[in-house]
Amino acid sequence: GDSVTQMEGPVTLSEEAFLTINCTYTATGYPSLFWYVQYPGEGLQLLLKATKADDKGSNKGFEATYRKETTSFHLEKGSVQVSDSAVYFCALNQAGTALIFGKGTTLSVSS
Amino acid sequence: GAVVSQHPSWVICKSGTSVKIECRSLDFQATTMFWYRQFPKQSLMLMATSNEGSKATYEQGVEKDKFLINHASLTLSTLTVTSAHPEDSSFYICSAREGGKGEKLFFGSGTQLSVL
Repeated sequence: GDSVTQMEGPVTLSEEAFLTINCTYTATGYPSLFWYVQYPGEGLQLLLKATKADDKGSNKGFEATYRKETTSFHLEKGSVQVSDSAVYFCALNQAGTALIFGKGTTLSVSS
Repeated sequence: GAVVSQHPSWVICKSGTSVKIECRSLDFQATTMFWYRQFPKQSLMLMATSNEGSKATYEQGVEKDKFLINHASLTLSTLTVTSAHPEDSSFYICSAREGGKGEKLFFGSGTQLSVL
């Protein structure tokens, strides 16, 4: 079945460092891809998404490009802030069905 | 933006008791709600899908008699963990899909259940 694999954490960075969180997927058809973020004490929030190959999702300085040839959707940010500390989940779904999540990657940014 | 309220945010109960978790869509009608479970350092695993007014569809391996899901209205779904045991201790989170809005999913803040 469909699945999502994302890099193990935790990821620890200094403020203004470059961030990459790898995400690859296995799916039949053409899924939509998502990154969700969960800040401490809060619920999951959609960070960005891409619905077809070569689409780039972006939000709050984060970007991810839907790469069909490598079945990847890596999350990047050029300069992280302390406020970006959170758990990040890569996810996919097909045709509006329930999301399938990766295990989550904890990001900790220090000043 | 759309808000999903999940309550309680955490609960501690004795083994053998039942616990009810509520998930409400506050400003939209949720034709479909999903219930997930997350073990520490694990992915969120879909437990069941519920559509308003019909029986929930459970994922393989999820006991429907243990995890009772009710979606009686377009704004409320409940998950009841019956006769809870310590192995049911987990983080439960709901999400709601706004009717007619395709892939727009909104998540509750989750419920941490600890069964003693």
